[in-house]
Amino acid sequence: ETGVTQTPRHLVMGMTNKKSLKCEQHLGHNAMYWYKQSAKKPLELMFVYNFKEQTENNSVPSRFSPECPNSSHLFLHLHTLQPEDSALYLCASIPFKGTGAQNTEAFFGQGTRLTVV
Amino acid sequence: GENVEQHPSTLSVQEGDSAVIKCTYSDSASNYFPWYKQELGKGPQLIIDIRSNVGEKKDQRIAVTLNKTAKHFSLHITETQPEDSAVYFCAASDSGSARQLTFGSGTQLTVLP
Repeated sequence: ETGVTQTPRHLVMGMTNKKSLKCEQHLGHNAMYWYKQSAKKPLELMFVYNFKEQTENNSVPSRFSPECPNSSHLFLHLHTLQPEDSALYLCASIPFKGTGAQNTEAFFGQGTRLTVV
Repeated sequence: GENVEQHPSTLSVQEGDSAVIKCTYSDSASNYFPWYKQELGKGPQLIIDIRSNVGEKKDQRIAVTLNKTAKHFSLHITETQPEDSAVYFCAASDSGSARQLTFGSGTQLTVLP
């Protein structure tokens, strides 16, 4: 167990549905991330939150909408997705303590396997 | 931006043999290079990392080497065991930390009994 919990573990949704992915950590970390993992491809950084503020959006389509209500919870709201959005969505948290060596490990959740039909 | 290439994409070794996975990076400003292991049904977990001021780092059966001039780094696993079977990802960052990591595409390592 890494201390980062993602729900649900599996999700099948139609292209017209609206669903949300949830990530929760009680490690005291202040930085949380969403990654997309597709087969045979590198992990793609989607969104970055530092101290609940979104600091990065890597050109992600607007059908993905993140929300970070507090430093322990991160959501990814999904609507009108496409089949090519099917992937494993990973949440990670990092113990942000300023700059330098304290931030050298990203703790990943087990991911949500999303299938868009 | 940074680009990280990882090879091979799949690797099979006999139990007890060594395994080597190689990565190259493009941004000379990168200064932090972690390796993550992802077992089936789990998220990636950090197994070892190295900073740009160090050429080699070891942790029991795992070692990482870094060649800054050539911009490549490698993961070495000795005396492989079946539980080493997993997908391994290299990554690079210019922040000195796990923030803003650029990942390689992964290597599926299979250790045959």
